[in-house]
Amino acid sequence: GEDVEQSLFLSVREGDSSVINCTYTDSSSTYLYWYKQEPGAGLQLLTYIFSNMDMKQDQRLTVLLNKKDKHLSLRIADTQTGDSAIYFCAERISGGGADGLTFGKGTHLIIQP
Amino acid sequence: NAGVTQTPKFRVLKTGQSMTLLCAQDMNHEYMYWYRQDPGMGLRLIHYSVGEGTTAKGEVPDGYNVSRLKKQNFLLGLESAAPSQTSVYFCASRRTGTQNNYGYTFGSGTRLTVV
Repeated sequence: GEDVEQSLFLSVREGDSSVINCTYTDSSSTYLYWYKQEPGAGLQLLTYIFSNMDMKQDQRLTVLLNKKDKHLSLRIADTQTGDSAIYFCAERISGGGADGLTFGKGTHLIIQP
Repeated sequence: NAGVTQTPKFRVLKTGQSMTLLCAQDMNHEYMYWYRQDPGMGLRLIHYSVGEGTTAKGEVPDGYNVSRLKKQNFLLGLESAAPSQTSVYFCASRRTGTQNNYGYTFGSGTRLTVV
């Protein structure tokens, strides 16, 4: 079955790095995604990683994938107040009937001044 | 280029009423999806469509119907609304093929309250 797990809250100080973790259970995942949702808004795609990659970097964002442990992380360097949001990890499973995304419950990133 | 547009943005229904949520995309995407988002539950797939004239059930399809008469539109219907259907509804779309994997494009959501 498909299940994506994330911790519900993460609190960091402004300027520090934030690391949001995610675990998934389906080894047939092809792509893994990170989405950002600000209050009252829709989902904004932050980044994605293909399952045959270990790392992907995009400006302040670094995604690490440990396929053996089925663990995905998102690191945000120099966290700013504008990074305060809910971050969703999602997996896409190719060949499944739905071919949609399975989401975690989201991690609320709280920025302390 | 509007992307994915959902209408309405807000709606309040009485129990037993019916309504249709409209999702329109102008990116010529083949696949379209309806999700619902509830507090502490993340997003769950209701129904999806892999092309014009096709629909299929997702994880939580009960109480909803969908139609994809035109490629650019995906309609979500509630025949007899229940308070348990109070939620935020998101539509998404994406292209098929292995070349494009930049993710799914989401609409801004419809906040539905059933009283």
